[in-house]
Amino acid sequence: GAVVSQHPSRVICKSGTSVKIECRSLDFQATTMFWYRQFPKKSLMLMATSNEGSKATYEQGVEKDKFLINHASLTLSTLTVTSAHPEDSSFYICSARGPLRTEAFFGQGTRLTVV
Amino acid sequence: DAKTTQPTSMDCAEGRAANLPCNHSTISGNEYVYWYRQIHSQGPQYIIHGLKNNETNEMASLIITEDRKSSTLILPHATLRDTAVYYCIVIIQGAQKLVFGQGTRLTINP
Repeated sequence: GAVVSQHPSRVICKSGTSVKIECRSLDFQATTMFWYRQFPKKSLMLMATSNEGSKATYEQGVEKDKFLINHASLTLSTLTVTSAHPEDSSFYICSARGPLRTEAFFGQGTRLTVV
Repeated sequence: DAKTTQPTSMDCAEGRAANLPCNHSTISGNEYVYWYRQIHSQGPQYIIHGLKNNETNEMASLIITEDRKSSTLILPHATLRDTAVYYCIVIIQGAQKLVFGQGTRLTINP
C-alpha cells in the first residue's frame, strides 16, 4: 500500500503553546486528507477533511481556530493545535487519499500530551 | 453514508480462520465496503475493499452477500499479530468523509 508519514510520533508540550503535526504522502499525491483524534479505547473521531488548495471542512463541534489545518501541497498537510490545553491531549491521526485510489492510507499517529 | 453494525468483540484461535461479520443493510448501489484494522497505538491499516464481487488479496478475503446487505472479512490463518480492532466502513468513491464506527476487537489466542 501507499505510505503516509506522520511526524512527530510523540510530543509533549506546555499548556498555552502551539504544536504542529505534519502528515506527508511519500509515494502518491494526496488530493484529500483527513484528520482524526482518538481517545483511549475509543474509535477514531473525524475532525476535518481537507482538499489540496482548499480550506478544510471541519466536523461539527471541532473549533477551526484551535485546530488549524493547512493542505497547501499534494504531499503535505499540517495540523496545528493552538494554545494547547491538557484536554487536547490525545492521539491524532492523519489519512491521505490520492486521485486514482479509492482507499485512504493512514499515518502512524501522533500522541500529544499537554502538561 | 450507510451505517454498519459489527460485533463488539470476537476471539479466534491462532492458525484458524477468523471470520468478521459486518451488516450494512442500508447500503446503496454506489457504496463500497472497506475494511481497515488498527493495532494498538498505531494508525489504521487498509485491508481490502469491494463493491459487489468477492475480493481477495494477500491479507484477507472479502465476501459480500448477493443483496450486499452484509459482508464478511476472512483472515484465513490468523496469527497473534492479527489481534486488532477491525473496522467495516461503507462509503462512496471519493467520499469527503471517512467515518469510523466502533469496530470489532479481534483477539487471537495462542
